[in-house]
Amino acid sequence: EAGVTQSPTHLIKTRGQQATLRCSPISGHTSVYWYQQALGLGLQFLLWYDEGEERNRGNFPPRFSGRQFPNYSSELNVNALELEDSALYLCASYNRGYSGNTIYFGEGSWLTVV
Amino acid sequence: RKEVEQDPGPFNVPEGATVAFNCTYSNSASQSFFWYRQDCRKEPKLLMSVYSSGNEDGRFTAQLNRASQYISLLIRDSKLSDSATYLCVVSRGGSYIPTFGRGTSLIVHP
Repeated sequence: EAGVTQSPTHLIKTRGQQATLRCSPISGHTSVYWYQQALGLGLQFLLWYDEGEERNRGNFPPRFSGRQFPNYSSELNVNALELEDSALYLCASYNRGYSGNTIYFGEGSWLTVV
Repeated sequence: RKEVEQDPGPFNVPEGATVAFNCTYSNSASQSFFWYRQDCRKEPKLLMSVYSSGNEDGRFTAQLNRASQYISLLIRDSKLSDSATYLCVVSRGGSYIPTFGRGTSLIVHP
């Protein structure tokens, strides 16, 4: 069974540009979380999508946005990039109907803003 | 008070040692508890779920203390390959977001 897949693995952008990160959850999983992990810091919750809807968002500015497609894959968009947006962006999926709420992560997308 | 707190360490132990980490959580309505392992510059990977009765997986033992609101992870006979950051995760389930602790760094040396 394929795990959570994310693309691109690495992305370099300049300040002010836009970045788009993609995630495909585990087959059968309907929920996708996005987390940001800056170097040396903990995971900060960004966004939660379930059944195509945004269910919750973390304490991030509106230039962080995303969506979930009918096949449950998801996209994270970061507009007007700032240097401090440089981080590992992790996507995680889980099946909300499954007991235990275990979430599984993709390998992440490294975003570097220069 | 943070929702999930962990001692960042690092815990520096020799091979073969037993080491224990604690993680405290603030919300008594929390229902699900997990330990994840994260290697440097990699994604977190599920190590084990934590059940009310406690559970063991090889050299790893997880315990939950609801009265004092903490979970623990015990690693016996530490291996060099156990060197990593261990993340505590707490979830209230439903529409609540799983919350991650900052992690505890473990370094196992020869």
